[in-house]
Amino acid sequence: EAQVTQNPRYLITVTGKKLTVTCSQNMNHEYMSWYRQDPGLGLRQIYYSMNVEVTDKGDVPEGYKVSRKEKRNFPLILESPSPNQTSLYFCASSPQGQGTETQYFGPGTRLLVL
Amino acid sequence: GNSVTQMEGPVTLSEEAFLTINCTYTATGYPSLFWYVQYPGEGLQLLLKATKADDKGSNKGFEATYRKETTSFHLEKGSVQVSDSAVYFCALTHNYGQNFVFGPGTRLSVLP
Repeated sequence: EAQVTQNPRYLITVTGKKLTVTCSQNMNHEYMSWYRQDPGLGLRQIYYSMNVEVTDKGDVPEGYKVSRKEKRNFPLILESPSPNQTSLYFCASSPQGQGTETQYFGPGTRLLVL
Repeated sequence: GNSVTQMEGPVTLSEEAFLTINCTYTATGYPSLFWYVQYPGEGLQLLLKATKADDKGSNKGFEATYRKETTSFHLEKGSVQVSDSAVYFCALTHNYGQNFVFGPGTRLSVLP
């Protein structure tokens, strides 16, 4: 089944403790992206990647890191999480990153930073 | 920069009522426009899209027309069902899809 998977689905952590949220897609897509969803703000793009070893900042990159060493994986790293990073996170992918393409979303990761 | 504005709701309707969710956008050039739907506890999934002016996207009884003159992409459905209860997001991409901009989402509740 074609899908985007994220792990973990739920995470509670404390301020300053490094964490990684994994994202993997099995559709051989070139483009991958991370979003955070907050009430009243919709989804905001954190980082995106057009291809392996190519990443770029979205609208809200502060406090996050990403890497794209393989085409299928795009982990999101929070080196020193803070409470304002409590949010619902979505990973997404699309075939080429063209503007007309559909994005395919993972099921989401709910993060609580205490 | 690019932006999307949509009615935030919540919108509560009775089954078989007519639905309109307004969406307007600000963008240079010719963006592609999308409606995504998020069912409870799930990720977003594409509902419909339009990639050029005057295109109409349609799916599952929902429709939206890309109106460049009014910079709008309003979502409509003639007769909603309880199963349509979800959050609906209007979104646009520009250029090579690198920057995907979403509206705040509209929560729809349909009562039997």
